[in-house]
Amino acid sequence: KNEVEQSPQNLTAQEGEFITINCSYSVGISALHWLQQHPGGGIVSLFMLSSGKKKHGRLIATINIQEKHSSLHITASHPRDSAVYICAVVPQGGSEKLVFGKGMKLTVNP
Amino acid sequence: ETGVTQTPRHLVMGMTNKKSLKCEQHLGHNAMYWYKQSAKKPLELMFVYNFKEQTENNSVPSRFSPECPNSSHLFLHLHTLQPEDSALYLCASSRTELGAGSGNTIYFGEGSWLTVV
Repeated sequence: KNEVEQSPQNLTAQEGEFITINCSYSVGISALHWLQQHPGGGIVSLFMLSSGKKKHGRLIATINIQEKHSSLHITASHPRDSAVYICAVVPQGGSEKLVFGKGMKLTVNP
Repeated sequence: ETGVTQTPRHLVMGMTNKKSLKCEQHLGHNAMYWYKQSAKKPLELMFVYNFKEQTENNSVPSRFSPECPNSSHLFLHLHTLQPEDSALYLCASSRTELGAGSGNTIYFGEGSWLTVV
């Protein structure tokens, strides 16, 4: 079982919808990253969280350390948001290496 | 544009060939990483370099040989690969090796798609 689980694995939405992507992890962490990977392969870092909530444009990321859960919300989704969204955690007390989830493929249709 | 550049973007090689992947970062970072991404699997860390010194080799077969001549450049030398090595190879960098968990962001390149035939 992967230490980082993402759900759903695939999601198709209509333009304008509010989207939530979930990430659960099983270990204590010092930080959690949300990453976006476009079809060409390149990965962009969206957020790094250790507590609370962060917002950037139409994206909001939240984390609940006690429940070992994080969510990425996309408001007013757009076809250009279509990508794979990857959650990655840095386990506490370890070697500070990122542990990745398998990613969630989002398709936003016009 | 993330500031991390990988070449080539696509590579097809035979099992007896020798080729290299190149990564360059213009961010002034001191830590660089190679990751492997296979279909339907999470990213796997392969190697970490911090200030040009290798600090992590995640049990990678010797047919993959990294080289870090300076803090801005990272190579992955490939020889006698197997078809199962076909994957997307991603380079990344961060300000320091502890950057991923210590308040710093990790920056990825666009990746090199490798096909071994």
